[in-house]
Amino acid sequence: KAGVTQTPRYLIKTRGQQVTLSCSPISGHRSVSWYQQTPGQGLQFLFEYFSETQRNKGNFPGRFSGRQFSNSRSEMNVSTLELGDSALYLCASSFEQVDGYTFGSGTRLTVV
Amino acid sequence: GESVGLHLPTLSVQEGDNSIINCAYSNSASDYFIWYKQESGKGPQFIIDIRSNMDKRQGQRVTVLLNKTVKHLSLQIAATQPGDSAVYFCAENPSGGYNKLIFGAGTRLAVHP
Repeated sequence: KAGVTQTPRYLIKTRGQQVTLSCSPISGHRSVSWYQQTPGQGLQFLFEYFSETQRNKGNFPGRFSGRQFSNSRSEMNVSTLELGDSALYLCASSFEQVDGYTFGSGTRLTVV
Repeated sequence: GESVGLHLPTLSVQEGDNSIINCAYSNSASDYFIWYKQESGKGPQFIIDIRSNMDKRQGQRVTVLLNKTVKHLSLQIAATQPGDSAVYFCAENPSGGYNKLIFGAGTRLAVHP
């Protein structure tokens, strides 16, 4: 079966711009979570969506937002980009609980 | 390829040796733990998990040990192979945290022929 698909794979944006990243979960999975990975901070939880509702949120500023559609696909948006937002953004999906969590390959965002 | 972590601790082993990667977790209320492997340019890949009501679990060539008293996890890889070279992360799921995972800093495993 197809895995978690994240698009685009790479992205370059300028400071002050906004960006939208997309995640298509494994078919049948209803939970989608987002993580930011940087060399300095490691993997940090951004938020989790389940059946179109945000169930949990990490400690990130309000510039980071997300949503989930009825087909479980999810998007995350970062507004007013800063240089420090450069990171690998990872999406993970599971049917309901965290066991069975499967990660996508990520979107590499570079802010210049 | 992308760098997962430029200054991660590194464990260097010879091919065929056993590897032990250690992790200290932070939340005594965490009730589920996972080990992930991440190769360059890829997302974390599930290796093995363990619930807090267990202290040991075995998979194919891998064993996870959980010591709740000192909040410590370890991953043992038997007969390490060059394909095992990657960054390894432990992750904990706080009880009541839905699907939030808290990741450790990671350890780079380098396997030499």
